[in-house]
Amino acid sequence: DTEVTQTPKHLVMGMTNKKSLKCEQHMGHRAMYWYKQKAKKPPELMFVYSYEKLSINESVPSRFSPECPNSSLLNLHLHALQPEDSALYLCASSPSPTGYEQYFGPGTRLTVT
Amino acid sequence: AQKVTQAQTEISVVEKEDVTLDCVYETRDTTYYLFWYKQPPSGELVFLIRRNSFDEQNEISGRYSWNFQKSTSSFNFTITASQVVDSAVYFCALSELVWSGNTGKLIFGQGTTLQVKP
Repeated sequence: DTEVTQTPKHLVMGMTNKKSLKCEQHMGHRAMYWYKQKAKKPPELMFVYSYEKLSINESVPSRFSPECPNSSLLNLHLHALQPEDSALYLCASSPSPTGYEQYFGPGTRLTVT
Repeated sequence: AQKVTQAQTEISVVEKEDVTLDCVYETRDTTYYLFWYKQPPSGELVFLIRRNSFDEQNEISGRYSWNFQKSTSSFNFTITASQVVDSAVYFCALSELVWSGNTGKLIFGQGTTLQVKP
C-alpha cells in the first residue's frame, strides 16, 4: 500500500485565520515532505522531515509552521496567510531521505481570501 | 547546479499514436537518481519510475518505456499506443543529494502537458 492521505481536500481561509493541514502515511517511511504547487508549475519544496527532525526549510515564511508529531504524521500550521499563498499543498513521503521515490498525497487545495 | 529541462510545454496527439516526452538534466554528481511522475487533472502526483545513475538499462512497463542516456544527459519517456487516460502533466525530476543533511531534494522540470484526443 503506497498511500499518503491528506486532509482537508479543500480549505478556504481568511487572512486572519489559523488552520492546519494534516498528512498521514503508514508505510514506515522515514522522510516526509511538504510542497506548494501553483497552477501550471512544478511542485516547490517547502520542508523536509528526516527521521522526524526538520532537515530542510526552503526559506519558507514563518506564517507556515511544520510539525512532525510522530513518524506517520505531518502537519502544516497556517497563520496570517496572504492571498498569494493560495495553491495546492502536497505532502509526500519516501522510505529514506535519499535515493528513493517520493509518494504523494492528493493534496489540499487552499484558497486564502 | 542541478537542473532539469523539459523543452516540450504541451503535446497533443490522437489516440493510438506513440509519443515521446523529452527530459534533459544537468548535475555534477556522479551518483544521482532520475524520476518520472504523472499528474492527472485530479492533482495527485503518481510515481512512474526511478532510475539511478549507474543503471543505463532501458525499461519497459506495458505501454510505457524509458530511455536513459548518460552521454547526452537525457531520460526520455515514450508512451506507445497512447490512450485518452494518458492525458496529464508529466514531470521529470532529479534527486539532489544534500550530503550535509543527508537529505535528497527533488529538482523538477517544468512539466509537459500531454493531451490525447479520441
